[in-house]
This record gives sequence, C-alpha cells and structure tokens, in this order.
Amino acid sequence: QKEVEQNSGPLSVPEGAIASLNCTYSDRVSQSFFWYRQYSGKSPELIMSIYSNGDKEDGRFTAQLNKASQYVSLLIRDSQPSDSATYLCAVFMYAGGTSYGKLTFGQGTILTVHP
Amino acid sequence: EAGVTQFPSHSVIEKGQTVTLRCDPISGHDNLYWYRRVMGKEIKFLLHFVKESKQDESGMPNNRFLAERTGGTYSTLKVQPAELEDSGVYFCASSQDRYNEQFFGPGTRLTVL
Repeated sequence: QKEVEQNSGPLSVPEGAIASLNCTYSDRVSQSFFWYRQYSGKSPELIMSIYSNGDKEDGRFTAQLNKASQYVSLLIRDSQPSDSATYLCAVFMYAGGTSYGKLTFGQGTILTVHP
Repeated sequence: EAGVTQFPSHSVIEKGQTVTLRCDPISGHDNLYWYRRVMGKEIKFLLHFVKESKQDESGMPNNRFLAERTGGTYSTLKVQPAELEDSGVYFCASSQDRYNEQFFGPGTRLTVL
C-alpha cells in the first residue's frame, strides 16, 4: 500500500463546475497536509496547507481534512481552464522519533477544465 | 523575494559521467530538501539539510549520490558515476523551519544516455 494515494484521474470538468480531488494517507502521525499544483514542465506550486481537522478556504479553493479517516481533499469552485494542471497531495511525515520530517507525495491527479 | 533557483535546467550526460546539480534556496531558509521524480512515479524525498548539516539522507538511492551544503547556503547534488536509472527531474525545496511549507525550485531534468 502506498503511503499517499490520490484518485488516479484524469479528471475532466466543465468550466464553472466544482472539481473534487481526493487523497488518503497511511501514517496516523502525519501532521501537515499540502496541495501543490504543477503545470507541465514547471515546479510544484503550493496552493493550500491544512493542519487541523475541518475545512480551510482560500478563494476558490477549499481543503478538507479528516484525520480519523486519514483523508484530505481539495475542492476547486468555479473551475477555470487555467486550473488545468496536475494536483499533488503531499503529507509531512516525521522521521521515526525525531522532530524532523519530509514530504511524501501522491502520484498526482491530472485535472482538465474544458470550456 | 527570489524563489528557489536550480541550475542547470537540463542536463544530458552519458552513463558513467559525472553531473553536479546546484540549488539556491530562498534567502533565510535554513531547511533545504532534495527530491526526485522519475518517469511515471511520484516525487520522492532524497535528503534534508538544516543549515549545513544533513538531517536526513534516508532517501538517497546509493553512494553514487553526494550532497553538500557549504556554509548553509546553496547546495550541490553530485551523481558519480551516473547510471541510466538516475534519469528524472531533480527538485530542490526550501522552508523557513521544519513545519513550514516547502517551496520548490523549477527542477533539473537529468537524462542519462
């Protein structure tokens, strides 16, 4: 079982619709969760971070975290063609008993928003 | 504020050659990370520096990879000798402290022929 799994996609939605991206993780001690957007050939760009259960909204983006279910999602409202990209879920996992850690990424979900 | 920069953007080398990748983190970021994405796979952690010290190098594939961070500023990642399976995109990221968001550079695309 992979440590971080995302719905495989690709996901295609019409312009103006809500895009829903999902991610599950296996490590219960994970503390920080991030969504990155990556355009083809570009670097991952941080768009959302979430640390506690519940919803966090930033503009058209809403991240949802449920630690009991080990589930994090990203909703994109009023999707635009410019949102077409690969969305990466990343989980900050601690290294054993230390206080340092690393990001573990899912494989990414390709989102296409068509006009 | 300048972002994370990496050099070169592309490198094509032959098997057995040596390549050195460079990363300049965001100014003031003590934490520097190297990641790699090989074709069709997810981005994977290689190692983590705190200032000039290696905090975690558990992701380094083998001893052909050597990372350094002189003076706690820029970092280099040397692959010697390169093998075909080393091909991929090498990303560098930095963060202000170990809990903060990591900001990624544009990556170096390495092709080993």
